[in-house]
Order: sequence, then C-alpha cells, then structure tokens
Amino acid sequence: EVHLLESGGGLVQPGGSLRLSCAASGFTFASYAMSWVRQAPGKGLEWVSTIISTGGGTYYADSVKGRFTISRDNSNNALYLQMNSLRAEDTALYYCAKGPATVTTTCFDYWGQGILVTVSS
Amino acid sequence: QSALTQPPSASGSPGQSVTISCTGTSSDVGTYDHVSWYQQHPGKAPKLMIYDVSKRPSGVPDRFSGSKSGNTASLTVSGLQAEDEADYYCSSYAGHNNVVFGGGTKLTVL
Repeated sequence: EVHLLESGGGLVQPGGSLRLSCAASGFTFASYAMSWVRQAPGKGLEWVSTIISTGGGTYYADSVKGRFTISRDNSNNALYLQMNSLRAEDTALYYCAKGPATVTTTCFDYWGQGILVTVSS
Repeated sequence: QSALTQPPSASGSPGQSVTISCTGTSSDVGTYDHVSWYQQHPGKAPKLMIYDVSKRPSGVPDRFSGSKSGNTASLTVSGLQAEDEADYYCSSYAGHNNVVFGGGTKLTVL
C-alpha cells in the first residue's frame, strides 16, 4: 500500500525558511516523479513543484520559482521542499503527491495527508 | 499558469446524474488529453477519480465518468449517492511538467 507522510511544517515569520519532508513507502520510490501541491485555507489546490524520478529535472510554479527548491533522496525514499523567503500567501496545507510515471507528471495518483505551513508574524 | 474554470457549486438528488464542467485554454485542456478529476471530502486529502480525460483508477466506481470537447472537460456522476457529496477539482497537464488546477466545485447531494 502506498503511503506518503509529510513532516516539517509549522509557524514561520515572513521572510523565514522551512524545509518540508515526505517519507514514502509501499512503492518503488526511485521509479516515479514526485510533486508538492498546496491548498490555502478554504481555497483550491495549487501545483507547486515536481521532480523527476532521478532528480535530474525540477519544475516550479511561477508563484514559488526562485524561492522554493524541490529535491529527493532515492536511497532513503524521501522527498523534500526547501522554502525560503516565505510570504503570508504561502500559508497552506502542503501535500506530497506521487506521479504515475518516471518523468512526466500528468496527474497525482497518491497523496499524503498534508502538513500545515503558516507564515505570520 | 491560469487556473481552469469550474462552477463553484453543483447539486443533484440521490439517483440522479450531475455534470461538472472544467474550462481551460488551448495551452492546457485543449492540447493535452491529460485531464484529471479529484474528489476531496472535508479534512481529507484529494483522491484521484479520473485521469487522462476518461480513465478510472482501480476501485473508482463506474458511476464516475469523464469526457472532453475542445477546451472544456466534464465529470459526470451518475446514480448520485450521499457519499459523493464532496469538493471536486479538475486539473490539466500544461506542458513542461506543469499542472494547472480548477478552482473546485462543491457537489451537494440534496
């Protein structure tokens, strides 16, 4: 059974940094692209970033480009999101999500339960 | 990376059918046959219901179906059941590993 467990969220001041982690199990992690998707309180879903299976390609939404960095450790089945220069509008529930293929992510077939990030002074 | 357009709400009585639309552009829905639909119950993570316009993952009831015409995709839920009441989001591949979501539709079972 696929299981994705996010951690590392919390309260951070504007301009601060936070690193999210996602522990994956139940599938061959190194064979699939992985993504982060967020949901602001009471709002819809927003794709944030995707990394291909090897880690050799990364993609970002315009809203986070230059501030967030996605990475992965295939030896430890872990996905990360380094978030810098955080803004109030980054406040959201962040989901770790699995893609259906190695390189191209056309949908998200499994999701974690999400981790809350609150940016406030 | 503009969001896809969905109606904010939809409703139907048990046993009826309801269709939710999702309108994009020629840069996403109109070009790629990679439209997906997600169901989200309150306080829960989204669940993939439809992918590649009309395919159902294992375990999703065949009451859920998807289609696409031009820049607009649709999700139809037939034989509505109480447990179908949830928020539904569409998404489309938009090239270069970018994905765009719709704003979501709250489905109410009357």
